[in-house]
Amino acid sequence: QVQLQESGPGLVKPSQTLSLTCTVSGGSISSGGYYWSWIRQHPGKGLEWIGHIYYSGTAYYNPSLKSRVTISVDTSKSQFSLKLTSVTAADTAVYYCARGMTPFDYWGQGTLVTVSS
Amino acid sequence: QSVLTQPPSVSGAPGQRVTISCTGSGSNIGAGYDLHWYQQLPGTAPKLLIYGNSNRPSGVPDRFSGSKSGTSASLAISGLQAEDEADYYCQSYDSSLSGSVFGTGTKVTVL
Repeated sequence: QVQLQESGPGLVKPSQTLSLTCTVSGGSISSGGYYWSWIRQHPGKGLEWIGHIYYSGTAYYNPSLKSRVTISVDTSKSQFSLKLTSVTAADTAVYYCARGMTPFDYWGQGTLVTVSS
Repeated sequence: QSVLTQPPSVSGAPGQRVTISCTGSGSNIGAGYDLHWYQQLPGTAPKLLIYGNSNRPSGVPDRFSGSKSGTSASLAISGLQAEDEADYYCQSYDSSLSGSVFGTGTKVTVL
């Protein structure tokens, strides 16, 4: 059974960089031909695709966030990561990592990141 | 930004059948990309409920069914149960994004 777990700071100051890591267990991040994704959900709102990455490192980003987002993968640690620069209060959300690019068949539990000074 | 449109809420009595619509455009559902549905119980991560328009993952009750036609899709829940009270989201690939687009979400209330 594949499991995903997000980790990282729950509080980030405005203008700083949000950094999260997703650790994959129960399966190899580099097998099966899967993409690995980041999705966020603003408080009380709907889901927003942030981007996805293949184990080879090829990544695609939501155009609305592309200038601030970087997703990377470390196959040796079975992890993939999200960096979001120049954050504002509008980036406060629950951030999920998930397997796949469409559909998303396995999800992490999510981690709340609050942007506040 | 592309988005799939869903009704904000639907409700029904236990045992009834409810349907949730999902309307897209020519760059996602209308382009022939598969449509998927997720169930999000309060305080939890979304769970894949229907994939490939009408397929249920193992463990999903057959009370849940999906269909797609043209630029729209729908999720039906028959024999509504209290445990079905949740938010439901549709999702598809969008060629203009080169990525995924989600529906606006529908809250299902069991009366």
